[in-house]
Amino acid sequence: QKEVEQNSGPLSVPEGAIASLNCTYSDRGSQSFFWYRQYSGKSPELIMSIYSNGDKEDGRFTAQLNKASQYVSLLIRDSQPSDSATYLCAVNMFGLTGGGNKLTFGTGTQLKVEL
Amino acid sequence: EPEVTQTPSHQVTQMGQEVILRCVPISNHLYFYWYRQILGQKVEFLVSFYNNEISEKSEIFDDQFSVERPDGSNFTLKIRSTKLEDSAMYFCASSEAMAAHYNEQFFGPGTRLTVL
Repeated sequence: QKEVEQNSGPLSVPEGAIASLNCTYSDRGSQSFFWYRQYSGKSPELIMSIYSNGDKEDGRFTAQLNKASQYVSLLIRDSQPSDSATYLCAVNMFGLTGGGNKLTFGTGTQLKVEL
Repeated sequence: EPEVTQTPSHQVTQMGQEVILRCVPISNHLYFYWYRQILGQKVEFLVSFYNNEISEKSEIFDDQFSVERPDGSNFTLKIRSTKLEDSAMYFCASSEAMAAHYNEQFFGPGTRLTVL
């Protein structure tokens, strides 16, 4: 069973702080990794993609990937109340037989940014 | 900015009835997907579609489900005989390609299906 694991939270951080969200995945063949933000009752919104080991920065967001440890993380700098949402880690096994392009999602981490 | 659209936003149906959920993927995207999310649970893959064929499907996607690209813009999910457990949010997504760096999937706003 290919799994993506996240701590469900809630993770509470004060406004302006750095929020750190973590994700582990079980399948070493995974090739593409994504972070989605989902507000309550809304659809997943893509915020970051990462394909290679290391860091990838986009504005206040930094995604980190360590394939050896099967670990992906998302850092949100200068957290704002509008960042309060559930953050979904999604993993794609493109490149392997039968992997196709389906995304396997974690259960999500609820982030609360407090004033 | 191009986006995936879905209709209807909310569909209520009686158990055993057929429903068709509609999606318009982003225009230059070639890969299309349906996912569902039961309330309080994780997003689950149903099916992927490319070049007018199903490329992959999950165990959830049984004979009651079908997908179709009836014209150059629409992508539909049909549930032939709905069950109570089909009640969920259904998301359509599309991606430009399957290769890494082009396989980002963009989700539509979803259709909330309620089966009574």
